[in-house]
Amino acid sequence: SYVLTQPPSVSVAPGKTASITCGGDDIGSKTVHWYQQKPGQAPVVVIYYDSDRPSGIPERFSGSNSGDTATLTISRVEAGDEADYYCHVWDGGSEHYVFGTGTKVTVL
Amino acid sequence: EVQLVESGGALVQPGDSLRLSCAASGMTVSGNYMSWVRQAPGKGLEWVSVILSGGRTYYADSVEGRFTISRDSSKNTVYLHMNSLRPEDTAVYYCARQIPDFYDDTGSYIWGQGTLVSVSS
Repeated sequence: SYVLTQPPSVSVAPGKTASITCGGDDIGSKTVHWYQQKPGQAPVVVIYYDSDRPSGIPERFSGSNSGDTATLTISRVEAGDEADYYCHVWDGGSEHYVFGTGTKVTVL
Repeated sequence: EVQLVESGGALVQPGDSLRLSCAASGMTVSGNYMSWVRQAPGKGLEWVSVILSGGRTYYADSVEGRFTISRDSSKNTVYLHMNSLRPEDTAVYYCARQIPDFYDDTGSYIWGQGTLVSVSS
C-alpha cells in the first residue's frame, strides 16, 4: 500500500516560517491535500490540489508538490497555527485514499 | 450552511455490529464523494471508506469485507455498516465530503464532528 511519511514534529517561533514535508513514492504525480486538526476538533482543509487555498484560509498557508516530496509552508507563524497537520492523497494504484503520518506543529 | 452530523457511535463488544449515520444539510450526498475517516485515541487519521457520486465504493484493507458504506438520497444520509467489530476498530469516526481526484473547488470540503465507537469486552 502507498505510504506517506511526515516528520512527527516541527517547532517554530512566532513570525517565522514552518515547512512540513510529506514524502511518498512519486508523490509529484498525485494530487495532495493538507488538513489542519486542532485538539478536540475535526480536521479542516488548508490546502487542496497541491497549492490552492480554500476560501477563508490565510495566504500564509501555501503548498507545493514535486518528485517524492510535497510541502506545506506556513509563513509568519501565529500561535493559532499550533495543530496537527496531515497530507492526503488518492492512490489510483491501490484505489485507496491515504493520510500521512501527521506532523505536530508547536509554536515556541 | 453546509453541515454533516454523525450519529450511532456506541460501546459494543467484539464481534458486534453497528451502523453509523451521517446526515447532510446544505449539500447532497449523492452528488459528492463521501468518506468515512477514523481516528483512534491519540493516533492519526485513517481513511476507512468512500462512496463516489456514481455509487462506486472503496474500502481500506483493514475493514474490507467487514464494513459497508451506503447512502440514502431520500434522507440525504450516508451510512457505515460495521460488522465483526474488533477492539482495534475503537476510534472517533468522522464523515467527510471527500475531495475528489478531479479538480472541484465548488463548495466546502467539510467534516462532521465525529462519533465515538468503542469496542471492548
